[in-house]
Amino acid sequence: DAKTTQPNSMESNEEEPVHLPCNHSTISGTDYIHWYRQLPSQGPEYVIHGLTSNVNNRMASLAIAEDRKSSTLILHRATLRDAAVYYCILRDPLNAGNNRKLIWGLGTSLAVNP
Amino acid sequence: KAGVTQTPRYLIKTRGQQVTLSCSPISGHRSVSWYQQTPGQGLQFLFEYFSETQRNKGNFPGRFSGRQFSNSRSEMNVSTLELGDSALYLCASSQTRDSSNTGELFFGEGSRLTVL
Repeated sequence: DAKTTQPNSMESNEEEPVHLPCNHSTISGTDYIHWYRQLPSQGPEYVIHGLTSNVNNRMASLAIAEDRKSSTLILHRATLRDAAVYYCILRDPLNAGNNRKLIWGLGTSLAVNP
Repeated sequence: KAGVTQTPRYLIKTRGQQVTLSCSPISGHRSVSWYQQTPGQGLQFLFEYFSETQRNKGNFPGRFSGRQFSNSRSEMNVSTLELGDSALYLCASSQTRDSSNTGELFFGEGSRLTVL
């Protein structure tokens, strides 16, 4: 199964941009790259997803490398509310068989300093 | 629109007992998936249901089981509880047929199980 690798933790200052990296060197052509984040004492929430092109939404931007083996979640101006664990996962709509395992891992714990 | 509801939020059990957790998805969502979250292992996929059928299963022993009802509500059951089953159990619903595709997952706040 395709797996992602993220740094265990990162730190940022409030109102500065944050770049959260994710490596997925075994990504297949049909894998979508998804990002979720989990605030303390809450379930994860969707942030953004993409396939090949860079994506923007109201929460963040997703920059995908040309070879798709890595991606970066960009928070343009970090706020204290962005302190959370960020998960990068791969989702494949074409191979969702009975043995499909969705691997989340431990994610990146982002601390935001005031 | 109401979000994903999980009950109970907290529960304490002893080794050897069994537990049933409930998940009510967002109205109109037919796919429900379950995850176990522990500090050391992070989020691990348990299983997924769509239209009352289990479509995917993670790498957990047979003590972990689940089902989905015709109204899309889902339950998971853990029998013969072990200390290592202490965890936050999260349920997520999705509008699309399979949570492996590009559909956004909506998570509940989880059921925190402590096994003594």
